[in-house]
Amino acid sequence: EAGVVQSPRYKIIEKKQPVAFWCNPISGHNTLYWYRQNLGQGPELLIRYENEEAVDDSQLPKDRFSAERLKGVDSTLKIQPAELGDSAVYLCASSLGGRQNSPLHFGNGTRLTVT
Amino acid sequence: DAKTTQPPSMDCAEGRAANLPCNHSTISGNEYVYWYRQIHSQGPQYIIHGLKNNETNEMASLIITEDRKSSTLILPHATLRDTAVYYCIVGYGQNFVFGPGTRLSVLP
Repeated sequence: EAGVVQSPRYKIIEKKQPVAFWCNPISGHNTLYWYRQNLGQGPELLIRYENEEAVDDSQLPKDRFSAERLKGVDSTLKIQPAELGDSAVYLCASSLGGRQNSPLHFGNGTRLTVT
Repeated sequence: DAKTTQPPSMDCAEGRAANLPCNHSTISGNEYVYWYRQIHSQGPQYIIHGLKNNETNEMASLIITEDRKSSTLILPHATLRDTAVYYCIVGYGQNFVFGPGTRLSVLP
């Protein structure tokens, strides 16, 4: 089966510019996650979707970050405007979700550099 | 905060078994133990998970102590390609909190 697909793989932007990341989860996976990973640290959850509903966005900096998952499949994470501290790898993951203890499957991420 | 404690780094000789420990003394009765690994420039890769019984798959074995307060991931014959950061996570449902993990270096 195809894995989680993310694009772009790399992105370099100047501060104050907008940026968007795209994620296509594994087919049939109802739960979708966006994580942010800083250098040398483990991934940190930004937002979790169950189908189209954002069920956990407590760690999403809502003043500049937004996300959407239209039709409960693909998802987009946006930052506007970007700041220097947003430089990180943005990871998307998906799972079967629900109450099943199904594992997460990650994409290879988008490495964002803000200059 | 992550509910697990792992050593920051470990070395292992190629061809030998790699035993990666994880402490999770506050684990709840319905929480599973999951292991992932992350090779440079890739996303984390799922390895194995378990509740209280030992588990084995084609990648590794997971040994969970009887009191469930700790576990060990075993890579039976480590290769250079097993060099990665290994994350131990406990959780139930869909809540997964990653700590900094253990950086395993497999040495030739």
